Amino acid sequence: DSGVTQTPKHLITATGQRVTLRCSPRSGDLSVYWYQQSLDQGLQFLIQYYNGEERAKGNILERFSAQQFPDLHSELNLSSLELGDSALYFCASSVQDRVGNTQYFGPGTRLTVL
Amino acid sequence: AQSVTQPDIHITVSEGASLELRCNYSYGATPYLFWYVQSPGQGLQLLLKYFSGDTLVQGIKGFEAEFKRSQSSFNLRKPSVHWSDAAEYFCALFSGGYNKLIFGAGTRLAVHP
Repeated sequence: DSGVTQTPKHLITATGQRVTLRCSPRSGDLSVYWYQQSLDQGLQFLIQYYNGEERAKGNILERFSAQQFPDLHSELNLSSLELGDSALYFCASSVQDRVGNTQYFGPGTRLTVL
Repeated sequence: AQSVTQPDIHITVSEGASLELRCNYSYGATPYLFWYVQSPGQGLQLLLKYFSGDTLVQGIKGFEAEFKRSQSSFNLRKPSVHWSDAAEYFCALFSGGYNKLIFGAGTRLAVHP
């Protein structure tokens, strides 16, 4: 158990819908990262927040957005869902966002878009 | 360009045999390297990490990895594999310029009894 929690574990929805994935970082960690794992793209970085502020953006679609709240939990919002958005979405956290910091991953949310 | 290559997609070993999973990286500066393991239906668990110093790094579950700058490699090893080691293994490089981990495609390990 890494100490990072993600809810829900599974999510099944239809194309065109909107969903919210939630992540609670390890106690004391200020930085939260979101990754997407799909069969064709592998593990891809989406976005990072540090203490409530966006710090880095990766291959995140415009239909996707995220935020980190004052209690440091984070939410990833996915809208206008397409079949290709079906994937495993991971959240990771670390103490800081400095070079070399270790990221600890949650169990993931498996999203299925029908 | 920053990248991680895991040349072996699938590896099968017998229980009790030794294991080496290959990882090659491309990075212009001192790399920060990680190995993670993902069991079926599970998240990513950190096995070990290399930041600097001793090039032979010990991790959990009896794993170790050796950093070789001249070969741009960070191979994962275990002297004797257990059936419970069957999983997918990911090598990752920390991209400090972008605050993200760059992952290899993963190596799926099967263990025969």
